[in-house]
Amino acid sequence: AAGVIQSPRHLIKEKRETATLKCYPIPRHDTVYWYQQGPGQDPQFLISFYEKMQSDKGSIPDRFSAQQFSDYHSELNMSSLELGDSALYFCASSLKGARGRLYEQYFGPGTRLTVT
Amino acid sequence: AQKITQTQPGMFVQEKEAVTLDCTYDTSDQSYGLFWYKQPSSGEMIFLIYQGSYDEQNATEGRYSLNFQKARKSANLVISASQLGDSAMYFCAMREGPFGNEKLTFGTGTRLTIIP
Repeated sequence: AAGVIQSPRHLIKEKRETATLKCYPIPRHDTVYWYQQGPGQDPQFLISFYEKMQSDKGSIPDRFSAQQFSDYHSELNMSSLELGDSALYFCASSLKGARGRLYEQYFGPGTRLTVT
Repeated sequence: AQKITQTQPGMFVQEKEAVTLDCTYDTSDQSYGLFWYKQPSSGEMIFLIYQGSYDEQNATEGRYSLNFQKARKSANLVISASQLGDSAMYFCAMREGPFGNEKLTFGTGTRLTIIP
Protein backbone atom coordinates (compact mmCIF):
# COMPACT_ATOMS: atom_id res chain seq x y z
CA ALA A 1 0.00 0.00 0.00
CA ALA A 2 1.14 3.53 -0.73
CA GLY A 3 2.55 5.45 2.19
CA VAL A 4 3.35 9.05 2.99
CA ILE A 5 6.43 10.24 1.10
CA GLN A 6 8.77 12.85 2.46
CA SER A 7 11.74 14.44 0.80
CA PRO A 8 14.53 14.90 1.37
CA ARG A 9 15.20 12.23 3.99
CA HIS A 10 18.24 14.04 5.30
CA LEU A 11 19.18 17.69 5.08
CA ILE A 12 22.16 19.58 6.40
CA LYS A 13 22.01 23.36 6.51
CA GLU A 14 23.97 26.15 8.11
CA LYS A 15 22.60 28.72 10.52
CA ARG A 16 20.53 31.45 8.86
CA GLU A 17 19.96 29.37 5.73
CA THR A 18 16.54 28.30 4.47
CA ALA A 19 15.13 24.81 3.99
CA THR A 20 12.10 23.38 2.23
CA LEU A 21 10.64 20.04 3.24
CA LYS A 22 8.14 18.25 1.02
CA CYS A 23 5.37 15.83 1.86
CA TYR A 24 3.21 13.70 -0.44
CA PRO A 25 0.22 12.25 1.45
CA ILE A 26 -1.35 8.86 0.93
CA PRO A 27 -3.58 8.96 -2.18
CA ARG A 28 -7.12 10.17 -1.40
CA HIS A 29 -6.05 11.55 1.98
CA ASP A 30 -7.10 15.19 2.23
CA THR A 31 -5.44 16.30 5.47
CA VAL A 32 -1.75 16.82 6.10
CA TYR A 33 -0.06 17.42 9.45
CA TRP A 34 3.47 18.50 10.27
CA TYR A 35 5.23 17.49 13.48
CA GLN A 36 8.66 18.31 14.86
CA GLN A 37 10.55 15.81 17.03
CA GLY A 38 13.65 17.10 18.77
CA PRO A 39 16.36 14.70 19.96
CA GLY A 40 15.01 12.46 22.71
CA GLN A 41 11.62 14.19 22.67
CA ASP A 42 8.10 13.35 21.63
CA PRO A 43 6.69 14.79 18.41
CA GLN A 44 5.16 18.25 18.66
CA PHE A 45 2.38 19.40 16.33
CA LEU A 46 3.30 22.32 14.08
CA ILE A 47 0.51 22.88 11.57
CA SER A 48 -2.15 21.09 9.55
CA PHE A 49 -4.01 21.57 6.27
CA TYR A 50 -7.35 20.33 5.04
CA GLU A 51 -8.32 20.73 1.41
CA LYS A 52 -5.47 23.19 0.89
CA MET A 53 -6.54 25.45 3.74
CA GLN A 54 -4.76 25.75 7.05
CA SER A 55 -6.92 23.93 9.58
CA ASP A 56 -4.92 24.14 12.81
CA LYS A 57 -1.73 25.66 14.10
CA GLY A 58 0.49 24.58 16.94
CA SER A 59 3.84 25.78 18.20
CA ILE A 60 5.21 26.74 14.82
CA PRO A 61 7.79 29.54 14.80
CA ASP A 62 7.05 32.62 12.70
CA ARG A 63 10.16 31.76 10.67
CA PHE A 64 8.33 28.69 9.38
CA SER A 65 5.54 28.67 6.85
CA ALA A 66 3.69 25.89 5.11
CA GLN A 67 1.11 25.31 2.44
CA GLN A 68 -0.81 22.55 0.74
CA PHE A 69 -1.02 22.51 -3.03
CA SER A 70 -3.76 21.52 -5.45
CA ASP A 71 -2.33 17.98 -5.74
CA TYR A 72 -2.50 17.78 -1.90
CA HIS A 73 1.24 17.69 -1.41
CA SER A 74 2.53 20.04 1.25
CA GLU A 75 5.72 21.99 1.78
CA LEU A 76 7.21 23.29 5.02
CA ASN A 77 9.44 26.30 4.48
CA MET A 78 11.92 27.19 7.18
CA SER A 79 13.94 30.39 7.11
CA SER A 80 16.73 31.87 9.25
CA LEU A 81 17.52 28.41 10.54
CA GLU A 82 18.77 28.10 14.09
CA LEU A 83 20.71 25.30 15.78
CA GLY A 84 17.57 24.45 17.77
CA ASP A 85 15.71 23.66 14.57
CA SER A 86 17.72 20.45 14.25
CA ALA A 87 15.09 17.75 14.52
CA LEU A 88 13.17 15.03 12.78
CA TYR A 89 10.26 16.55 10.86
CA PHE A 90 7.32 14.28 10.22
CA CYS A 91 4.47 14.69 7.85
CA ALA A 92 1.32 12.66 8.48
CA SER A 93 -1.87 12.30 6.48
CA SER A 94 -5.42 11.23 7.16
CA LEU A 95 -8.89 11.29 5.67
CA LYS A 96 -10.76 14.02 7.53
CA GLY A 97 -14.19 13.53 8.93
CA ALA A 98 -14.30 9.80 8.50
CA ARG A 99 -15.17 7.44 11.30
CA GLY A 100 -13.49 4.39 12.65
CA ARG A 101 -10.26 3.27 11.06
CA LEU A 102 -10.13 6.30 8.80
CA TYR A 103 -9.33 8.54 11.77
CA GLU A 104 -5.90 7.03 11.69
CA GLN A 105 -2.95 9.28 10.96
CA TYR A 106 -0.16 7.71 8.98
CA PHE A 107 3.29 9.19 9.28
CA GLY A 108 5.96 9.52 6.65
CA PRO A 109 9.54 8.40 7.29
CA GLY A 110 10.55 11.89 8.37
CA THR A 111 13.15 14.39 7.25
CA ARG A 112 16.13 14.65 9.52
CA LEU A 113 17.30 18.26 9.51
CA THR A 114 20.68 19.13 10.93
CA VAL A 115 21.60 22.78 11.34
CA THR A 116 25.30 23.49 11.83
CA ALA B 1 -1.19 19.31 33.16
CA GLN B 2 0.10 16.55 30.91
CA LYS B 3 -2.55 15.37 28.50
CA ILE B 4 -0.82 12.04 27.90
CA THR B 5 1.24 10.34 30.60
CA GLN B 6 3.49 7.38 30.03
CA THR B 7 5.06 6.49 33.36
CA GLN B 8 7.48 3.84 32.12
CA PRO B 9 10.55 5.47 30.54
CA GLY B 10 12.03 2.04 29.82
CA MET B 11 11.10 -1.61 30.01
CA PHE B 12 13.00 -4.85 29.57
CA VAL B 13 10.98 -7.93 28.67
CA GLN B 14 11.97 -11.50 27.89
CA GLU B 15 11.25 -12.65 24.34
CA LYS B 16 7.90 -14.43 23.91
CA GLU B 17 6.44 -12.83 27.05
CA ALA B 18 3.48 -10.46 26.90
CA VAL B 19 4.12 -6.83 27.73
CA THR B 20 1.83 -4.00 28.81
CA LEU B 21 2.78 -0.39 28.15
CA ASP B 22 0.90 2.09 30.29
CA CYS B 23 -0.82 5.24 29.08
CA THR B 24 -3.17 7.55 30.92
CA TYR B 25 -4.79 10.60 29.41
CA ASP B 26 -6.55 13.75 30.49
CA THR B 27 -9.36 15.34 28.52
CA SER B 28 -12.72 16.93 29.16
CA ASP B 29 -13.96 16.15 25.65
CA GLN B 30 -16.51 13.40 25.11
CA SER B 31 -15.18 12.61 21.66
CA TYR B 32 -11.53 11.71 21.39
CA GLY B 33 -9.24 9.05 20.03
CA LEU B 34 -6.20 7.26 21.32
CA PHE B 35 -3.32 6.02 19.22
CA TRP B 36 -0.20 3.98 19.72
CA TYR B 37 2.84 4.40 17.52
CA LYS B 38 6.10 2.47 17.37
CA GLN B 39 9.35 4.27 16.60
CA PRO B 40 12.31 1.99 15.89
CA SER B 41 15.86 3.30 16.05
CA SER B 42 15.64 4.10 12.34
CA GLY B 43 13.23 6.90 13.27
CA GLU B 44 10.04 6.22 11.36
CA MET B 45 6.73 6.47 13.20
CA ILE B 46 4.68 3.33 12.66
CA PHE B 47 0.94 3.35 13.41
CA LEU B 48 -0.07 0.36 15.55
CA ILE B 49 -3.60 0.75 16.83
CA TYR B 50 -6.47 3.23 17.34
CA GLN B 51 -9.29 3.40 19.88
CA GLY B 52 -12.16 5.85 19.64
CA SER B 53 -13.83 7.12 22.78
CA TYR B 54 -17.19 5.77 21.65
CA ASP B 55 -15.88 2.37 20.64
CA GLU B 56 -17.44 -0.21 22.92
CA GLN B 57 -14.92 -2.93 22.26
CA ASN B 58 -11.18 -2.81 22.83
CA ALA B 59 -9.23 -2.41 19.61
CA THR B 60 -7.07 -5.29 18.43
CA GLU B 61 -4.58 -5.53 15.56
CA GLY B 62 -2.75 -8.82 15.35
CA ARG B 63 -0.46 -9.12 18.39
CA TYR B 64 -1.45 -5.64 19.57
CA SER B 65 -4.48 -4.89 21.70
CA LEU B 66 -5.53 -1.78 23.51
CA ASN B 67 -6.88 -2.16 27.04
CA PHE B 68 -9.24 0.82 27.11
CA GLN B 69 -10.62 1.75 30.53
CA LYS B 70 -12.61 4.91 29.98
CA ALA B 71 -13.52 5.60 33.61
CA ARG B 72 -9.87 5.35 34.59
CA LYS B 73 -8.78 7.30 31.50
CA SER B 74 -6.25 4.68 30.60
CA ALA B 75 -5.36 3.15 27.25
CA ASN B 76 -2.65 0.58 27.79
CA LEU B 77 -1.04 -1.22 24.88
CA VAL B 78 -0.66 -4.97 25.22
CA ILE B 79 1.78 -6.81 23.00
CA SER B 80 1.38 -10.57 23.09
CA ALA B 81 4.25 -12.99 22.48
CA SER B 82 6.92 -10.30 22.19
CA GLN B 83 9.58 -10.57 19.51
CA LEU B 84 13.07 -9.10 19.20
CA GLY B 85 11.77 -6.80 16.49
CA ASP B 86 9.42 -5.20 19.00
CA SER B 87 12.36 -3.38 20.58
CA ALA B 88 11.62 0.28 19.95
CA MET B 89 10.22 3.46 21.45
CA TYR B 90 6.45 3.39 21.87
CA PHE B 91 4.34 6.55 21.95
CA CYS B 92 0.78 6.94 23.12
CA ALA B 93 -1.07 9.85 21.52
CA MET B 94 -4.49 11.46 21.71
CA ARG B 95 -6.77 13.28 19.32
CA GLU B 96 -9.30 15.48 21.14
CA GLY B 97 -12.64 16.86 20.11
CA PRO B 98 -15.00 16.16 17.27
CA PHE B 99 -14.36 16.51 13.55
CA GLY B 100 -12.11 19.37 12.68
CA ASN B 101 -9.39 18.96 15.24
CA GLU B 102 -7.32 15.91 14.56
CA LYS B 103 -3.88 17.02 15.71
CA LEU B 104 -2.18 14.53 18.00
CA THR B 105 -0.69 15.15 21.41
CA PHE B 106 1.99 12.62 22.32
CA GLY B 107 3.26 11.20 25.57
CA THR B 108 6.96 11.08 26.35
CA GLY B 109 7.24 7.48 25.23
CA THR B 110 8.39 4.14 26.61
CA ARG B 111 11.55 2.50 25.34
CA LEU B 112 10.91 -1.24 25.13
CA THR B 113 13.81 -3.67 24.92
CA ILE B 114 13.14 -7.33 24.23
CA ILE B 115 15.75 -9.65 25.70
CA PRO B 116 16.53 -12.92 23.86
